[in-house]
Amino acid sequence: QQQVKQSPQSLIVQKGGISIINCAYENTAFDYFPWYQQFPGKGPALLIAIRPDVSEKKEGRFTISFNKSAKQFSLHIMDSQPGDSATYFCAASNAGKSTFGDGTTLTVKP
Amino acid sequence: DADVTQTPRNRITKTGKRIMLECSQTKGHDRMYWYRQDPGLGLRLIYYSFDVKDINKGEISDGYSVSRQAQAKFSLSLESAIPNQTALYFCATSDGLGHYFGPGTRLTVL
Repeated sequence: QQQVKQSPQSLIVQKGGISIINCAYENTAFDYFPWYQQFPGKGPALLIAIRPDVSEKKEGRFTISFNKSAKQFSLHIMDSQPGDSATYFCAASNAGKSTFGDGTTLTVKP
Repeated sequence: DADVTQTPRNRITKTGKRIMLECSQTKGHDRMYWYRQDPGLGLRLIYYSFDVKDINKGEISDGYSVSRQAQAKFSLSLESAIPNQTALYFCATSDGLGHYFGPGTRLTVL
């Protein structure tokens, strides 16, 4: 049962462009929506997160947009850089348990 | 930094062998988790523990067992390893919101 659907599976963006990754969830009990960044050979690292009572959260070049009625949220990476090339996972959490999307491999071309 | 450490980092074993993966954390979190990562399948929860006396099965617990030896230590065992348990295994802790992952153990079962 896929409770969190993430798209696209892979994404190629030019340096300086905007990277957008989308996630959709089904369970309205989820109350915390984090994004993780994973580089090859490393564990996922918490990047940015949002609660459903907020429609947008920005940290530097990273922004989460949240649409509660549509049960969708997205990660926007502004001014994408080659160093942003990694796999990104969205997640939805409730009561200490997280359900992860399948991941998006982002490649930023110089 | 090494808030969450995993040993071993790599392991090759044969079908039928018993394997233990160990996880230690210095973050002081009560909540600990074991995940499995396979290409294209994201992170799947094997077991989780919200305190030393609490152990819960995740979505793919068959063939695995865990032990929570202390607040800081959570180990995963494969009683009789099989080839389809070849994967990348991550331990994580949580403060009740985001997860903090270890560097992973790459396990190959021949």
